[in-house]
Amino acid sequence: NAGVTQTPKFQVLKTGQSMTLQCAQDMNHEYMSWYRQDPGMGLRLIHYSVGAGITDQGEVPNGYNVSRSTTEDFPLRLLSAAPSQTSVYFCASSYTPTTNYGYTFGSGTRLTVV
Amino acid sequence: TQLLEQSPQFLSIQEGENLTVYCNSSSVFSSLQWYRQEPGEGPVLLVTVVTGGEVKKLKRLTFQFGDARKDSSLHITAAQPGDTGLYLCAGSLSGGYNKLIFGAGTRLAVHP
Repeated sequence: NAGVTQTPKFQVLKTGQSMTLQCAQDMNHEYMSWYRQDPGMGLRLIHYSVGAGITDQGEVPNGYNVSRSTTEDFPLRLLSAAPSQTSVYFCASSYTPTTNYGYTFGSGTRLTVV
Repeated sequence: TQLLEQSPQFLSIQEGENLTVYCNSSSVFSSLQWYRQEPGEGPVLLVTVVTGGEVKKLKRLTFQFGDARKDSSLHITAAQPGDTGLYLCAGSLSGGYNKLIFGAGTRLAVHP
């Protein structure tokens, strides 16, 4: 089915390790974003992209990098994992960067940093 | 402090009851969306409201956007166990790109 695909589904990292969370969408959406979800805090925006080659920071960007070389893919890199990055990460995409269009979310990556 | 405050945080009701959840802010939003999230899954869009005072209905769910575009409500009539989940409101501030700001959510449990 068309949609947003996130891999892996679960990951355990040791403090200081790096990794890349993958996100791919096949809906030709311009806008893609990464959120983290923590108990009692809702979803917080990490980074977003309004098109290939264009990225910008969200609310909580520290410790994360992104790139957008194609319309389909928007990977999130953790440079040096810390326990505070234990969370559930969601990738989302939308048809345009403007309002009124809803987001399509992936099913999430549950990351534990020990 | 959340820019979007949702209340109540938790709601546990019996099948057939009615309920309302609220999403409030001191900021004006150009649009507001409601999502439902089930365990282990990402949020799924229910509705988008864009005009102050707008009311939208989706079967037993009624969504309202406040006249001043600072608040919204979701009313469920005759709740069913299938309505169980986390309800999230998300707003887009006027101007700029589509950076949705999410509330912390209302966790609803409907018991048979």
